[in-house]
Amino acid sequence: EVQLVESGGDLVQPGRSLRLSCAASGFTFDDYAMHWVRQAPGKGLEWVSGISWNSGTTAYADSVKGRFTISRDSAKNSLYLQMNSLRVEDTALYYCAKGKYQLLLGAFDIWGQGTMVTVSS
Amino acid sequence: DIVMTQSPDSLAVSLGERATINCKSSQSVLYASNNKNYLAWYQQKPGQPPKLLISWASTRESGVPDRFSGSGSGTDFTLTISSLQAEDVAVYYCQQYFSTPLTFGGGTKVEIK
Repeated sequence: EVQLVESGGDLVQPGRSLRLSCAASGFTFDDYAMHWVRQAPGKGLEWVSGISWNSGTTAYADSVKGRFTISRDSAKNSLYLQMNSLRVEDTALYYCAKGKYQLLLGAFDIWGQGTMVTVSS
Repeated sequence: DIVMTQSPDSLAVSLGERATINCKSSQSVLYASNNKNYLAWYQQKPGQPPKLLISWASTRESGVPDRFSGSGSGTDFTLTISSLQAEDVAVYYCQQYFSTPLTFGGGTKVEIK
């Protein structure tokens, strides 16, 4: 079964850091781009970051550029999001999503259930 | 950045009737070299992650009922549900993947009248 399972969400204070993980199974992880998408409570979808199949290309939303870092580990079939200098407006459910192709420019065909990040003092 | 604008924000349709959702991009998402529109549609039901319905503006994913169809090119796109079923109640999003940052529309909530 194709599956993505996120973890690492938590309640943190503004300015602190958090690392999200996404464990992939049921497909050849190395063959596809991967992404993080977030959804604030009651709001729409916001693409956060993406990484190509071989980590050669990464991209970020302007709202997180310079604070968040995406990475992947093929040995562990895992995707990560290192989030630094967290802000209240980063509060959201963070989804891991699989791209349909190797490069970033493709639709997202598999989504995890999400992990909740709450930034509050 | 490419801005995606959906309309309406919500709509209520009777069972068996047609639902039409519009999506407009601030610049063309048609790539001339391959004549493909880099546009996807997703369905999100309450408490669930989004589900990919359509990519390349009009290509249905495997298993998606044929009452869902996508059309349009360049900057103007439409998702049509030809005969609304109870299980189609959801929020629908368009997304461009023509260039980064990848961007989504604000969503359209579809309900039963």
